[in-house]
Amino acid sequence: DQQVKQNSPSLSVQEGRISILNCDYTNSMFDYFLWYKKYPAEGPTFLISISSIKDKNEDGRFTVFLNKSAKHLSLHIVPSQPGDSAVYFCAASAPGNQFYFGTGTSLTVIP
Amino acid sequence: NAGVTQTPKFQVLKTGQSMTLQCAQDMNHNSMYWYRQDPGMGLRLIYYSASEGTTDKGEVPNGYNVSRLNKREFSLRLESAAPSQTSVYFCASTGSFYGYTFGSGTRLTVV
Repeated sequence: DQQVKQNSPSLSVQEGRISILNCDYTNSMFDYFLWYKKYPAEGPTFLISISSIKDKNEDGRFTVFLNKSAKHLSLHIVPSQPGDSAVYFCAASAPGNQFYFGTGTSLTVIP
Repeated sequence: NAGVTQTPKFQVLKTGQSMTLQCAQDMNHNSMYWYRQDPGMGLRLIYYSASEGTTDKGEVPNGYNVSRLNKREFSLRLESAAPSQTSVYFCASTGSFYGYTFGSGTRLTVV
C-alpha cells in the first residue's frame, strides 16, 4: 500500500510561471519530508526538506509547504526555468524509520 | 568526485543467472541503502545497512541478499534472477537524517 502518493504523473508549466507539485501521505507518524529531483540517467538529488515542526521551508526558488492536518505537502518553484524539467519525488519518514517515496511527477518547463 | 559510485551501469541477465551490484561511497557515511525504481512505483527500499556490520530488510527484500563489506561498500546480490527483477537499482548513503546521496543507478534487464 502506497504510503506516499503523488497523484499527478506529469505537469507542464510555462517558463517564468509557478510550478506546484503535490504529495499526499497516509501515515500520521511521518515527521520528516524530503523532495528529490531526478534527471534522466542520473540518480535522484536532494532538493529541500521540511520537518513536522514547520509548515514552510524556503530555499531560493524552491519552497515546500506542509499541511499536517491534511497530510499534504507541496513544492513550489518560482519562477520555473527550463533546467527545472525533471522528475520530482517526495519522500516521508517516521522517527527512526526508512523513507517512503512517492511515484514521482515529471515536470516540463516550456521555454 | 565525492559521492556514491555504482557498477555496472547496465546489465542484461538471463533468467536464473546470478550477479552482484556494487556500491561504494567515499563520504564516510554510516548508512547505506539499496532501492529499486519501477514505472509507477516510485523508489522502493530493498535492503539497508544502518552501520557497518548490520543489514536489515526493507519493503521488497525477496530475491535479494546484501553484504556490507566495510564502511564504504554495500553490495546487492541476485542469486537467481527473475524477469520481475528488471528495474533500475539505486544505491544511496547518508551520514545524517537530512537526505540521501544517490548513485547514478544500474539498469538491469532480466530476459
